[in-house]
Amino acid sequence: DADVTQTPRNRITKTGKRIMLECSQTKGHDRMYWYRQDPGLGLRLIYYSFDVKDINKGEISDGYSVSRQAQAKFSLSLESAIPNQTALYFCATSDYGTYGYTFGSGTRLTVV
Amino acid sequence: GIQVEQSPPDLILQEGANSTLRCNFSDSVNNLQWFHQNPWGQLINLFYIPSGTKQNGRLSATTVATERYSLLYISSSQTTDSGVYFCAVVGTSGSRLTFGEGTQLTVNP
Repeated sequence: DADVTQTPRNRITKTGKRIMLECSQTKGHDRMYWYRQDPGLGLRLIYYSFDVKDINKGEISDGYSVSRQAQAKFSLSLESAIPNQTALYFCATSDYGTYGYTFGSGTRLTVV
Repeated sequence: GIQVEQSPPDLILQEGANSTLRCNFSDSVNNLQWFHQNPWGQLINLFYIPSGTKQNGRLSATTVATERYSLLYISSSQTTDSGVYFCAVVGTSGSRLTFGEGTQLTVNP
């Protein structure tokens, strides 16, 4: 099994719909992150969490919300999806000691 | 925040050629990682290298932290090396991984 698992892998949704992307990890890391990648660009940080009770906004948090349900689970929600949220979304984890990041396989989201 | 610049933005090679990708960063770093994003979008962690030199098969990387740059070397390139290579860093005064815009590598047979 993958260390960081994202579901779904692909999703097409309509404008205005609420959608949740889920991430779970078996690394035992405290820190979890959600990134967004637009075509031809690098990854940009949406939200991050350093432990279950900690939630922080990243560069581009508008239109998104997150929930850290447990150490191993971190979900990203789009309350009312819009077409410019069409992108590839990545979840990542890291450990305080090493700072090395592990990424999931990504969720390709299309909003029509 | 910390700035990350990668060069070149695009690189086209014939199979078997060698290449060097560069990453410049604007501040001291605790973490520097090189990733390969394959054509299916998956991010593969190549190196965790905040300083020093590492090698893994045909790939090697060197980070000169005092001069704020890192180099990724690909030798005897193969078509499967195609994709986007990202450099990403965590600054000493920050806590989050910041990505460069990547180098798009195409290896032709």
